Amino acid sequence: AQKVTQAQTEISVVEKEDVTLDCVYETRDTTYYLFWYKQPPSGELVFLIRRNSFDEQNEISGRYSWNFQKSTSSFNFTITASQVVDSAVYFCALSEEGTGRRALTFGSGTRLQVQP
Amino acid sequence: GAGVSQSPSNKVTEKGKDVELRCDPISGHTALYWYRQSLGQGLEFLIYFQGNSAPDKSGLPSDRFSAERTGGSVSTLTIQRTQQEDSAVYLCASSLFRQGNEQFFGPGTRLTVL
Repeated sequence: AQKVTQAQTEISVVEKEDVTLDCVYETRDTTYYLFWYKQPPSGELVFLIRRNSFDEQNEISGRYSWNFQKSTSSFNFTITASQVVDSAVYFCALSEEGTGRRALTFGSGTRLQVQP
Repeated sequence: GAGVSQSPSNKVTEKGKDVELRCDPISGHTALYWYRQSLGQGLEFLIYFQGNSAPDKSGLPSDRFSAERTGGSVSTLTIQRTQQEDSAVYLCASSLFRQGNEQFFGPGTRLTVL
């Protein structure tokens, strides 16, 4: 069965620090997608990135970067020079295409607090 | 364009009553999902609709929960004989039906069962 683990429950950093959020997944499917979502205090889940299982290229978008490593089943998310507005709960999620299970399996989330 | 909308935003009900939660997906999105977010269980999948196919109900926690989607658009999640453990935020999401498409989430309905 599919599973997503975010071992870090809560992280607190000071503004301008870099921070990495860890995500480890389990799946028997060979075709799958990984996602990161942000849930700010307002509550609405905001899509950040999608990565498919055949593309291990790292991606950078502004201060955000993602490191996908199939060998360790990890899809980690790094925020560079964190800002107070980055404070939120971040969820890693998995969907499996081979089984047709397109619903997302979420990790338990990591709460990031960026102090000014 | 308009995002996913849900109503009501908050619902307080008494134990044993039935409730209906509504979701309006993004226009043109053929896939619609319901999830539940609670402190103890995190984000859980409930049910998934895709076009005219039979819905995937594998996440529904009990037969008190049901959902329908009319005309391939609006969806209603119904909880019968509500229990206190049903208290949670119910989230709806929609997506295009392509491999790996991101799901766009609504603001949720916060259900409180007294």
